[in-house]
Amino acid sequence: QKEVEQNSGPLSVPEGAIASLNCTYSDRGSQSFFWYRQYSGKSPELIMFIYSNGDKEDGRFTAQLNKASQYVSLLIRDSQPSDSATYLCANAGNNRKLIWGLGTSLAVNP
Amino acid sequence: GAVVSQHPSWVICKSGTSVKIECRSLDFQATTMFWYRQFPKQSLMLMATSNEGSKATYEQGVEKDKFLINHASLTLSTLTVTSAHPEDSSFYICSARGVGWADTQYFGPGTRLTVL
Repeated sequence: QKEVEQNSGPLSVPEGAIASLNCTYSDRGSQSFFWYRQYSGKSPELIMFIYSNGDKEDGRFTAQLNKASQYVSLLIRDSQPSDSATYLCANAGNNRKLIWGLGTSLAVNP
Repeated sequence: GAVVSQHPSWVICKSGTSVKIECRSLDFQATTMFWYRQFPKQSLMLMATSNEGSKATYEQGVEKDKFLINHASLTLSTLTVTSAHPEDSSFYICSARGVGWADTQYFGPGTRLTVL
C-alpha cells in the first residue's frame, strides 16, 4: 500500500515565525510532489509542486524534496494568521493519481 | 488561470432522489477530471477518474451504478448521485488536469450534499 504520512498536528506557531510542515512517502517511483492548502469547509488549493531534489521557492513558501530519504517539506516564512489551515501533502503514483496524506493542521497565533 | 467551477455549491434533497453535480474547467481543456468525496475531519477520498470520451474508472468500493460520471467534453464532467440516501451526505469535490500539466490537479470549490 503506497502511503503518504503527515503529522496531524495541530502545529502552532506565532505570527511572523517560520512554519515547517513535513511529509514522508513510501512510493520510491514517485516523480511529482504537491502541497495543497485547505481551509475549513473549502476545497484544496494548490500551493506548490516540486519534481526535483532540492528547494523550490515561491514567495513566502519553500518546498524541499529529498528523494533518497523519501521526504518532502514545506516552509512558510513570516507566517500570518491567514495561513491557518490544513496543509495536504500528495505525490503522484505511476497511474498519475495523487496519493494523499491526512494533512497537518497549522494554527498561526497573532 | 486554471479555474475550475462546480455547480451547485450546495444541495439538499430528499432520500431516494438523484442529484447531478457539474464540474467545469473555465480556462483550460481538462483531459482528465477526478471526483473526490470528503467527510468531516477526514482526508480526501478519490471516487473515480474520468477521461474525456471514455468511461470513468472507479476506485475500489465505489458503486459505479450509484455514482454516474459523464465526461462528455474537455471542459465538463458531471457526477450524478442516484437514489441518494442520508449516508451519501458529504462534500463532493472535482479536480481537473490539463494537457501537458504532468500530474497537477486544480480543484473546484466543492458541492455540499445533504440528503434528508
